[in-house]
Amino acid sequence: QSALTQPRSVSGSPGQSVTISCTATSSAVGRSNSVSWYHQHPGKAPKLMIYDVGKRPSGVPDRFSGSKSANTASLTISGLQAEDEADYYCCSYAGSSYFFGTGTKVTVL
Amino acid sequence: QVQLVESGGGVVQPGRSLRLSCAASGLTFSSYGMHWVRQAPGKGLEWMAGIWYDGSNKYYVDSVKGRFTISRDNSKNTLYLQMNSLRAEDTAVYYCARDLSAYGDDAFDIWGQGTMVTVSS
Repeated sequence: QSALTQPRSVSGSPGQSVTISCTATSSAVGRSNSVSWYHQHPGKAPKLMIYDVGKRPSGVPDRFSGSKSANTASLTISGLQAEDEADYYCCSYAGSSYFFGTGTKVTVL
Repeated sequence: QVQLVESGGGVVQPGRSLRLSCAASGLTFSSYGMHWVRQAPGKGLEWMAGIWYDGSNKYYVDSVKGRFTISRDNSKNTLYLQMNSLRAEDTAVYYCARDLSAYGDDAFDIWGQGTMVTVSS
């Protein structure tokens, strides 16, 4: 059983907003503020989109935003674009270990 | 150009060993923590191991403790993963990744392209 649970899939039309949740099943993981998000296109390496809950690396569009409340972190994609269709993973650091979420497939309708 | 390039993957029999390498270029390798992350075919990401910027601290996921060893050679800008007693369930694409932090406790901001390891008789 994964320490971080994500919805299997979410979808939206171009221009819409979608939110992916990431719920921690352990309190240690839930307390962490080292929460990051990655997207991965088929056959490609993951790419960092959000770190430290809500910070964006240089070059990541501001359409991507992150937040956290209690044991649940969230990634919101505003103004959905075709190239946003990918698998998304949350990740949390706790107790000298990293835990990835179960992954969410984002489909742009 | 900032990049990480993995090598050393291949097909190996169960119980045998394999060593992966990750060559870094275009970045200050010795200032950052580094990690190995794997992805089994059709599955999600799984963190394997991490190492501090100077190699003084290493940590592993429970499933590989005692079988896998992470190490680094900062003079060669290279990260390694020695994998012993390989099992079929170790079959995956293995990625190396740089941490934002020297102590490997933040996020993975640079990834290699991955190297495939297949454990099969």
